[in-house]
Amino acid sequence: QSALTQPASVSGSPGQSITISCTGTSSDFGPYNLVSWYQHNPGKAPKLLIFEVSKRPSGVSYRFSGSKSGNTASLTITGLQAEDEANYYCCSYTARSSLVVFGGGTKLTVL
Amino acid sequence: EVQLVESGGHFVQRGGSLRLSCAASGFTFSSYSMNWVRQAPGKGLEWVSHISGGSGTIYYADSVRGRFTISRDNAKNSVYLQMNSLRDEDTGVYYCTRVPPRPGIAAAEFDYWGQGTLVTVSS
Repeated sequence: QSALTQPASVSGSPGQSITISCTGTSSDFGPYNLVSWYQHNPGKAPKLLIFEVSKRPSGVSYRFSGSKSGNTASLTITGLQAEDEANYYCCSYTARSSLVVFGGGTKLTVL
Repeated sequence: EVQLVESGGHFVQRGGSLRLSCAASGFTFSSYSMNWVRQAPGKGLEWVSHISGGSGTIYYADSVRGRFTISRDNAKNSVYLQMNSLRDEDTGVYYCTRVPPRPGIAAAEFDYWGQGTLVTVSS
C-alpha cells in the first residue's frame, strides 16, 4: 500500500483544467516543502514535472502547477491536451530511513 | 544530454539472484547521488535504494534491506543493484534515477530516469 493517497483516475476534456490530489500524514510530508510530481507514460521513462511543491524544471510547460495545503499536495493541469494523457505520481521526502514515499498514481484520461 | 540506461533485467526463479546495471552519460556522474525506483505490475512507484556520489551514504527500503545491495563505479559511470533472495513481490520494472544535489537532504526528487529494466521472479 502506497503511503500517499491519490485518486485512481481523473478525466477532462481538451482545454479544461484538472487537479490531482495527494494526501498523506504530517510524518509523510514533515516540515519540508519537498513534494514532487512525475508524469509517466507506460514503457517510457517517468518525467519530473514539479519539485519543491510548486517549482517547474526547465522545459516543463507552464500548464503544470503544484501547490500544498496542510497534508494535501495538488497538481493542476490547465488547458488539457491529448498529450497530457498519462499516469501521474506524487512523491514526498520523509526524512525517515525510507527517504521518500510515492503516491499510488492517478491515470489521467483526456476525453 | 543526460542518459541513464538500465540493463540486467531477466526472468529469475524465486530465491535466485540478479544484478542490475545502469550506465550514465551526459553529466559528471561522481557529483550525483543515484537511486533505484521500481514499479510492480499494475502498481505505483516504490523507492528501493540510494547511494551518494562517493558511496559514503546508502539507504534501502525496508522491503529490500538485507537482500539488495547498491553500489557504484564512478570510473565506469555506472550504478548497480545486486538483488539476492528474490521474491515474487520483487517482480517489476526497475528504474535508475538521478538525484539533484541538495544540502542536507539525501534525495528529495529524481530529475532524470532511465527507461527501466524488467525483473520477473517466479517459481
